[in-house]
Amino acid sequence: EIVLTQSPGTLSLSPGERATLSCRASQSVSNSYLAWYQQKPGQAPRLLIYGASSRATDIPDRFSGSGSGTDFTLTINRLEPEDFAVYYCLQYGKSLPFAFGQGTKVEIK
Amino acid sequence: EMQLLESGGGLVQPGGSLRLSCAASGFTFRRFAMSWVRQAPGKGLEWVSATGGGGDDAHYADSVKGRFIISRDNSKNMLYLQMNNLRADDTATYYCAKDAQNDNGVWDWFDPWGQGTLVTVSS
Repeated sequence: EIVLTQSPGTLSLSPGERATLSCRASQSVSNSYLAWYQQKPGQAPRLLIYGASSRATDIPDRFSGSGSGTDFTLTINRLEPEDFAVYYCLQYGKSLPFAFGQGTKVEIK
Repeated sequence: EMQLLESGGGLVQPGGSLRLSCAASGFTFRRFAMSWVRQAPGKGLEWVSATGGGGDDAHYADSVKGRFIISRDNSKNMLYLQMNNLRADDTATYYCAKDAQNDNGVWDWFDPWGQGTLVTVSS
């Protein structure tokens, strides 16, 4: 069973800055089966990235994902006011269970 | 447009039961695995249960195994979660979520999600 650890817990940044979020797996994630979600208060999670680096439909190109094996990164270039939210990584694949990271909150500095 | 709409949440006493429902539309329901994911107040996301498109397989997180039962009715495009012997730590918003891809032998990422239904377990 894979455990995902996200860091930092909270990221305090200003609009226009770059956010770099980390998701580290306790063992290698096969085929880069890793997704990223954004969640705002009172809303369901919204898919941003799947397959570690593929942007979902209608996701702005300031969001990018990278990584493989055990280390994955979500980068948000030029933070917009609507980007301040909580971000989760998700490991999926050929076997269960699914695993979520504990989340990183991106807050306005 | 794909849509998922949960219902059935509410206040229940410890040890009680509740059945959640999720109505799906906008896609060929029987072709896709479905999951339930929950989120305790102020906490992160936790996968709870999944079932394949045919509904003949069911998988559970250890935290709910033996107490929750996932099922689906493909003729009605409905997903269910029967929750028994509820505990205070089951208090959460429960989301149903669709497997993003079909028939590829992989439990894929979730997309889309429903808006969630709140379950509160308290005396």
